[in-house]
This record gives sequence, C-alpha cells and structure tokens, in this order.
Amino acid sequence: SQQGEEDPQALSIQEGENATMNCSYKTSINNLQWYRQNSGRGLVHLILIRSNEREKHSGRLRVTLDTSKKSSSLLITASRAADTASYFCATPPNRDDKIIFGKGTRLHILP
Amino acid sequence: DTEVTQTPKHLVMGMTNKKSLKCEQHMGHRAMYWYKQKAKKPPELMFVYSYEKLSINESVPSRFSPECPNSSLLNLHLHALQPEDSALYLCASSQDSPNQPQHFGDGTRLSIL
Repeated sequence: SQQGEEDPQALSIQEGENATMNCSYKTSINNLQWYRQNSGRGLVHLILIRSNEREKHSGRLRVTLDTSKKSSSLLITASRAADTASYFCATPPNRDDKIIFGKGTRLHILP
Repeated sequence: DTEVTQTPKHLVMGMTNKKSLKCEQHMGHRAMYWYKQKAKKPPELMFVYSYEKLSINESVPSRFSPECPNSSLLNLHLHALQPEDSALYLCASSQDSPNQPQHFGDGTRLSIL
C-alpha cells in the first residue's frame, strides 16, 4: 500500500514562479525524504527532514514537516526549466527496513 | 553522471531467455536495493540487501533472482519473464539503512517480447 500521497499529481507553472507540492503519509516515521526524477533517469535525493524537525532549506528548496498532520510540503522557489521533473516523497516507516515512495507530482515549468 | 552504475541501459528479451542486470557502486555503501518502475508510477521495492545478505523480498516472483556477490555489486537474474515485467529497473544504495538517502542508478529499460 502507498505510504505517501503527493498532491497535486501534476503541476504546470511559468518559469520564475514558485512551485509547491504536498505529501501525506500514514504511519509514524523516522524521517521524510524528497527525490527528483528527470525523464528517463534515476531518482536524485534532494533533501531529508527528520521527524523532530519542522522546516529545512537547501538552496531554492524549502521543506516543511507536520508530524501531527502526517504531512510535508516541498517548495521550489524561482522555478527554472531544469526543474521540470517528477518529485516523490519517501518515508522509511519505523521498525521497517525499507522506504516507501509516494505517487509523485509531475512538475512542468513553462518557458 | 551517477555514482551507481547499471548495465545494460536497455535490454530486449524473449520470454524464454535468461539475462542478468548488473549494478555497481564504489561509495562503500552496505545497503543495496532493486526497484521496478512502470511509466508514470513510483518505484516499487523488490529486494533489499543489507551487508550482502538479503533482508527484504517483497513477494517478488521467482523468475527474478537477486544476487550480491560482494559489497559493491548487485545482480538481478531474469528467467522466463512475462510481458508485464517490461519496466525500468532501478538499483540504489545507501550507507547502511533506508533511513539514509539513497543513490540511484539510471536504470535498465527492460522490454519483454
């Protein structure tokens, strides 16, 4: 079963605008991770936020985590054409030796 | 360029063939993973190796057989596959647990005729 559910499933925005993607999950977690996947390529790890953290930044990325609502958001500021990709949240459930990926958000940056 | 190398990049095989997918990493990672990904879907975990021992098999059919010859290499042996097995097969590694970031290869695009 899916642990993470991203919202929206697809998002198209103009270059330079900000993009926000949301992720909800079901079980308690140690951390939540975000990955990017360009078409035809493998996934690339973007950022990891621990369960005791509320917000984390990395360059143009800002991630928030609300463990009470079991949700996270990924904000990409000042989007660029190169940000066009699919974005997945991923959670390693407690006491489980694996990671489960959400369904993903397909982001398209319009020139 | 990724730090996890998968070969071949593309593979077309018949349902009676036997082939192998290969994955290599030299980051000293002790956890390695195989995923299957269909178009516009998230990766689905197949197998986890931890310190060269199989720790998770997600009820994968026996026509897929993983092997971890050493800490740097991971193979996936394929035999008598079905057309529905056509997908992108991704290998990943992490330091020693899925709580840490995973590094992915670019995958093998597999087509079953």
